[in-house]
Amino acid sequence: GQNIDQPTEMTATEGAIVQINCTYQTSGFNGLFWYQQHAGEAPTFLSYNVLDGLEEKGRFSSFLSRSKGYSYLLLKELQMKDSASYLCAYFYGGKSTFGDGTTLTVKP
Amino acid sequence: DVKVTQSSRYLVKRTGEKVFLECVQDMDHENMFWYRQDPGLGLRLIYFSYDVKMKEKGDIPEGYSVSREKKERFSLILESASTNQTSMYLCASSTRGTGRHEQYFGPGTRLTVT
Repeated sequence: GQNIDQPTEMTATEGAIVQINCTYQTSGFNGLFWYQQHAGEAPTFLSYNVLDGLEEKGRFSSFLSRSKGYSYLLLKELQMKDSASYLCAYFYGGKSTFGDGTTLTVKP
Repeated sequence: DVKVTQSSRYLVKRTGEKVFLECVQDMDHENMFWYRQDPGLGLRLIYFSYDVKMKEKGDIPEGYSVSREKKERFSLILESASTNQTSMYLCASSTRGTGRHEQYFGPGTRLTVT
């Protein structure tokens, strides 16, 4: 994505914690999404933040700071099945703008 | 169980052919989207529609057109396919109005133009 950035690749160990960062620049903002996409499959919704702070959902948490244009996705107790691409997207004007995705590889 | 379906998983077409990609959702969603996904370029929005017969250009509309005659169906048309349109095409839908608007994606169509 042209004005949304996230790291291209990350590697972590099974059972560990990993944080995937996302920064964005936009003139208007109505929310921040995280999606998970396994290889060869469609993206699926993970989380949504519209206010500053942390949203927790099981092993996954997402944080948002609107003033800093910054979000992160935190994955705890990593499992092999968490190996996937994680897409950050901001929402404004009825549509989402996606980052290029972070490919996470979980190793035993 | 919510569902977005696309007419084909794999499609091979020749340069210059007219190509139709169909998408159907069963969730009564107002918004529908067409993206293409290429390695290193992420998901890029081609067109979206927020109502029947309405359409808006996304970030890369050139070479594409769309049609939305019914609420549940959103079609992407490549008037004259070219090799640089070889890509994975993803359709998505979402609700409109206030609140969360996560998108539900179809399984994708991998189009190869030779």
